[in-house]
Amino acid sequence: KQEVTQIPAALSVPEGENLVLNCSFTDSAIYNLQWFRQDPGKGLTSLLLIQSSQREQTSGRLNASLDKSSGRSTLYIAASQPGDSATYLCVPKGDKIIFGKGTRLHILP
Amino acid sequence: GAGVSQSPRYKVAKRGQDVALRCDPISGHVSLFWYQQALGQGPEFLTYFQNEAQLDKSGLPSDRFFAERPEGSVSTLKIQRTQQEDSAVYLCASSALGKRGITDTQYFGPGTRLTVL
Repeated sequence: KQEVTQIPAALSVPEGENLVLNCSFTDSAIYNLQWFRQDPGKGLTSLLLIQSSQREQTSGRLNASLDKSSGRSTLYIAASQPGDSATYLCVPKGDKIIFGKGTRLHILP
Repeated sequence: GAGVSQSPRYKVAKRGQDVALRCDPISGHVSLFWYQQALGQGPEFLTYFQNEAQLDKSGLPSDRFFAERPEGSVSTLKIQRTQQEDSAVYLCASSALGKRGITDTQYFGPGTRLTVL
């Protein structure tokens, strides 16, 4: 059974810092991996989708990497802003879609 | 265009009551998913529809939970004889393809927060 771990569980950093969120998963038989953000009281918004054949994917200030064989993905956020405050969820997609518990990120103005 | 909508946004039920939660997916989306999200946890899969066919209901926690999508668009998640442990946010998502949401992006609704007293 796929198990997904996200570290850290919570993170507070001053505005402007670069930061890295980590995701590890136990079953490397995945088709792709997706990162979402969730704002309080709202649904999930897709950030990046990395195919299993790719090593990384970029969108604006966000860069996600995938090392499928070792079961790891990282989400890099450059020049963080208060609007980046949210919970970030990692989802490795195999035959089942299993979510991590997320990293709660708070950017201090 | 309109995104995924869910209603009601909040529902308070007394233990033992039946509830029905509605999901309006993005028009034309083949796949529809229901998830349950407890406080501080990630969403957990409940069930999956491809058009009107319920292809996977392995995540439904008990036979008190029932979902339908009779015309392949709107879906309803029904919980009978609600219990306190059913309190959670129920999220609906849709995706364009009929690939179980694996190869394409899922679009999520805002969720229904269910509180069972």
